[in-house]
Amino acid sequence: GQQVMQIPQYQHVQEGEDFTTYCNSSTTLSNIQWYKQRPGGHPVFLIQLVKSGEVKKQKRLTFQFGEAKKNSSLHITATQTTDVGTYFCAGAVYNQGGKLIFGQGTELSVKP
Amino acid sequence: NAGVTQTPKFQVLKTGQSMTLQCAQDMNHNSMYWYRQDPGMGLRLIYYSASEGTTDKGEVPNGYNVSRLNKREFSLRLESAAPSQTSVYFCASSELGPWNTEAFFGQGTRLTVV
Repeated sequence: GQQVMQIPQYQHVQEGEDFTTYCNSSTTLSNIQWYKQRPGGHPVFLIQLVKSGEVKKQKRLTFQFGEAKKNSSLHITATQTTDVGTYFCAGAVYNQGGKLIFGQGTELSVKP
Repeated sequence: NAGVTQTPKFQVLKTGQSMTLQCAQDMNHNSMYWYRQDPGMGLRLIYYSASEGTTDKGEVPNGYNVSRLNKREFSLRLESAAPSQTSVYFCASSELGPWNTEAFFGQGTRLTVV
């Protein structure tokens, strides 16, 4: 079945360092979404990518969707303590009626 | 705006007991989902419903049943709870078009089976 793999599982950085998490799907995706979950909270939507090769930016966050629509990445420039949390990618496949599969997540900790 | 409401927030069950987790959304979304979250495993899809009257299995459906009661409500039932079902359960909803729109999550239900 469809699988979405995400690495690394954990990342510890010093405040001001950059951070990247990678997402790979076993099947071609129709679109990919990214979510952030703060400790003790629920996932909150960040962004959606739909087009092959698409790049989107939100302030210090840069999201990319691969040309083959099977991989994606989230890059945070100059991390801040407010970036702490777990980042998830979630992929949907064409003709699967809205089935949304999440990666395992990358837990980011930021040391001040 | 309530968004997605899950009840209960916390529950402790004994092995073999049954219970139903309730979920309701007020955004008129077609698609609804149940996920479980375990440490290191991310969010795993249990069941989803693309529209009222339809349900489909996700990645880990064994031991669960669902009911899409109407467009607003999507419940998850554990018929005979097992310790392996100790987890945090999230309900979510989204709109479904050419591709999914953003999913809105409930606050979660923390379930412990002893």
